[in-house]
Amino acid sequence: DAGITQSPRHKVTETGTPVTLRCHQTENHRYMYWYRQDPGHGLRLIHYSYGVKDTDKGEVSDGYSVSRSKTEDFLLTLESATSSQTSVYFCAISGQGTETQYFGPGTRLLVL
Amino acid sequence: DQQVKQNSPSLSVQEGRISILNCDYTNSMFDYFLWYKKYPAEGPTFLISISSIKDKNEDGRFTVFLNKSAKHLSLHIVPSQPGDSAVYFCAASEGSQGNLIFGKGTKLSVKP
Repeated sequence: DAGITQSPRHKVTETGTPVTLRCHQTENHRYMYWYRQDPGHGLRLIHYSYGVKDTDKGEVSDGYSVSRSKTEDFLLTLESATSSQTSVYFCAISGQGTETQYFGPGTRLLVL
Repeated sequence: DQQVKQNSPSLSVQEGRISILNCDYTNSMFDYFLWYKKYPAEGPTFLISISSIKDKNEDGRFTVFLNKSAKHLSLHIVPSQPGDSAVYFCAASEGSQGNLIFGKGTKLSVKP
């Protein structure tokens, strides 16, 4: 298995509070991604990173921001959580020039 | 508009028989296709992929077929085993480092 961990694995928070999810990899892969999975929608890309301090928006980026200050860490922040952001969040990584992405175990977020 | 479609939300198959999961896409620029398997409470795991220069790729019990003219791919699992019961996602990308676009998934149940 690719060395990807996500923290926390579960979180319950209240509407309006900030939340930060962390993805950590030990593979030294250049590319990192954040997805959310919701019933009836499959996996949708939120943001991705193609290097330290290099990030770009995905399909559903509104309400989310990301940061990557080190190769191994990619943070996803919900500045002010809303109930529509209740979801399961997956981090993924991929190496240079390869389409195959490897996923972390996921973070289940509930916004009350 | 969905670029990658998995029109069957679920599929039930008897152990030992063939499972066929289907995926259609609309973007003719997609040139790399992947299948992922996902168990509950786990991240998706990479299963098999195919480049648009091929029409078939095989890995053990798993074979992916690509029909570019029909913009259709399928995953065949032979013989199916109860441990194959999972949600299967089809994904596609454009270019060597294009972002993956996922279908909504098909839940496969293999009955003993």
